[in-house]
Amino acid sequence: SQQGEEDPQALSIQEGENATMNCSYKTSINNLQWYRQNSGRGLVHLILIRSNEREKHSGRLRVTLDTSKKSSSLLITASRAADTASYFCATDRSGNTGKLIFGQGTTLQVKP
Amino acid sequence: EAGVTQFPSHSVIEKGQTVTLRCDPISGHDNLYWYRRVMGKEIKFLLHFVKESKQDESGMPNNRFLAERTGGTYSTLKVQPAELEDSGVYFCASSPLGSGRGHNEQFFGPGTRLTVL
Repeated sequence: SQQGEEDPQALSIQEGENATMNCSYKTSINNLQWYRQNSGRGLVHLILIRSNEREKHSGRLRVTLDTSKKSSSLLITASRAADTASYFCATDRSGNTGKLIFGQGTTLQVKP
Repeated sequence: EAGVTQFPSHSVIEKGQTVTLRCDPISGHDNLYWYRRVMGKEIKFLLHFVKESKQDESGMPNNRFLAERTGGTYSTLKVQPAELEDSGVYFCASSPLGSGRGHNEQFFGPGTRLTVL
C-alpha cells in the first residue's frame, strides 16, 4: 500500500481559524515534505523537514515530525481564503535518490 | 528564473493513439522526475533521470510508456498506444544535483492533463 496517508481527507474551516493536517508513513525516511496544489495548478513546495528535525516553522506554517510514530503534522495558523487548496505530504525514503512517495492529500476549504 | 514548464497543458486523445508529453526543467537542474496522478488516487512516482541517464524507472507502469532525456536537458514521456487507464495528470519535477541526500526540494511543473477517450 502507498505510504504517506493524510487525515483528514477533507477539512472545512472559517477564515482566521487554524487548520491541522496529519500524515503517517511506513518506512524510515530522509525527509518529509509538504506541498500545496491549487485547483488545476502544479504542486508548490511549502516546507521540508529532515529526519533529524522535530519541528520547523515558515511564516504561518508549522510542521512537526515524530519519527518514532512515523507521523507528521502541518498546522496553518490564521487561515485565509487563499489557503484553500489540496495539501500533500511526501516522503523521501532512506536509501532512495530523491523519489517522493505521496499521500492522497487533504482538501482544505477556508470560508471567508 | 523560469520554473519547470510542461507541454501541452491538456491533451485529449483516443484509445490506441500516441501522445508525447514534454518537460523543461529549471536550467541547471540535473535531477528530473516524472509523476502521475490518476483520478482519485495519490500522486505516484514514474521515473527519475540524472542528466540523461535513467536513475530509477521502477514506477513506469508498463512498456507502453517511454521516457527520454537526450542531452540531459528537456525530457519527453511518450505513451504508445494510449489506454483509458492512462488518463490523469502527469507532473514533472526537477531539482539540483549534489545538494545532499535529505535536502532536496523538488520544483514541480503545472502538469499535463491527459484524457484518453
